Amino acid sequence: DGGITQSPKYLFRKEGQNVTLSCEQNLNHDAMYWYRQDPGQGLRLIYYSQIVNDFQKGDIAEGYSVSREKKESFPLTVTSAQKNPTAFYLCASSIVRGGPRETQYFGPGTRLLVL
Amino acid sequence: AQTVTQSQPEMSVQEAETVTLSCTYDTSESDYYLFWYKQPPSRQMILVIRQEAYKQQNATENRFSVNFQKAAKSFSLKISDSQLGDAAMYFCACISNFGNEKLTFGTGTRLTIIP
Repeated sequence: DGGITQSPKYLFRKEGQNVTLSCEQNLNHDAMYWYRQDPGQGLRLIYYSQIVNDFQKGDIAEGYSVSREKKESFPLTVTSAQKNPTAFYLCASSIVRGGPRETQYFGPGTRLLVL
Repeated sequence: AQTVTQSQPEMSVQEAETVTLSCTYDTSESDYYLFWYKQPPSRQMILVIRQEAYKQQNATENRFSVNFQKAAKSFSLKISDSQLGDAAMYFCACISNFGNEKLTFGTGTRLTIIP
């Protein structure tokens, strides 16, 4: 079964703590993305990566960090510098970035709550 | 930069009837792609339909079709024979085919199906 998996489904963060959200895809897609969704809003891009060992900031990268050591994996770390991390986080991937193969496919999401 | 506007925060339709969701967008590019995504209560984003701006023919996927008016920058989604499983948030999105433009989402329309 090809697809995108995210874990955990729910994550609780204590004040001052860094937490890491997992995103794995077995679609052989080159590009991967992280989005944040807040109530009543659309999705906002946090980071994206077009190739292994390379990534770029999106619109709201402050307080977040990523890595892309493997093609199939793109973990997101929510650092203590992110003062309002409570949100729903969605990971997506596409064959390549840009052009007709840009269509992005999404994982099931992770709900992050602050204790 | 692109903008996407969904002016209907909520819509409802009787089961088996037809409903149209509105979307307008703005982009300076001539070559771009438009998408409708569905987000059911599970919150996973599911691709509904895709339209390539250079194609004049409106895209169709089973009960879902679009009315793409390029000059008016309008991209509405028509759902025929509405089913209970169609209840969800629907997001319109746009991306340019050039450069590093990101996938830009509207704020969504919540669709309720009345049995």
